[in-house]
Amino acid sequence: NAGVTQTPKFQVLKTGQSMTLQCAQDMNHEYMSWYRQDPGMGLRLIHYSVGAGITDQGEVPNGYNVSRSTTEDFPLRLLSAAPSQTSVYFCASSYSGSPSTDTQYFGPGTRLTVL
Amino acid sequence: GNSVTQMEGPVTLSEEAFLTINCTYTATGYPSLFWYVQYPGEGLQLLLKATKADDKGSNKGFEATYRKETTSFHLEKGSVQVSDSAVYFCALSDRGGSNYKLTFGKGTLLTVNP
Repeated sequence: NAGVTQTPKFQVLKTGQSMTLQCAQDMNHEYMSWYRQDPGMGLRLIHYSVGAGITDQGEVPNGYNVSRSTTEDFPLRLLSAAPSQTSVYFCASSYSGSPSTDTQYFGPGTRLTVL
Repeated sequence: GNSVTQMEGPVTLSEEAFLTINCTYTATGYPSLFWYVQYPGEGLQLLLKATKADDKGSNKGFEATYRKETTSFHLEKGSVQVSDSAVYFCALSDRGGSNYKLTFGKGTLLTVNP
């Protein structure tokens, strides 16, 4: 049981490049989400999904795209990278999505630098 | 909207010292409250939670009590260890409707020296 896995661990991009951050979970969780962590700002929700084929925007969705074609995978796409997207990105999953009742499991993170 | 304010760090303590990390919140309704811990190089892990007023969450010697009257959820530990060195995040979520979102504080870096 690997839990929540994220690849790559580190990535450097140039402004305007695109890339996909991968997230996978093997716990059969319906709910998955992406957060970004910036110094002095805590974590902020980018996008989330309550099941395959269903996605919705979080707090800071601009510049990011997601899709959920399978229960296991929830990739995050940067369409045209900008320096403001330099951050650490965390993927999380849980059974139902309600933090009150279900533990959210976080991946180890992807550190992205946009030059 | 919801918000979480936690004490600024970094906090540096000696082993076996008493730890308090303050956390206060602003929310509509009655949120659930959480403490998450992030060890170096890892993702966040749930440390403890409380889902209603006067509940006490506890885990690994850490405790926090949900105080509705002071809108607080302070984290405490009686005797810290070097292995407790990490970043600690206070967080809340609404308990009704589409309550998927966790609102996090900025995090407090704790360093425990031997």
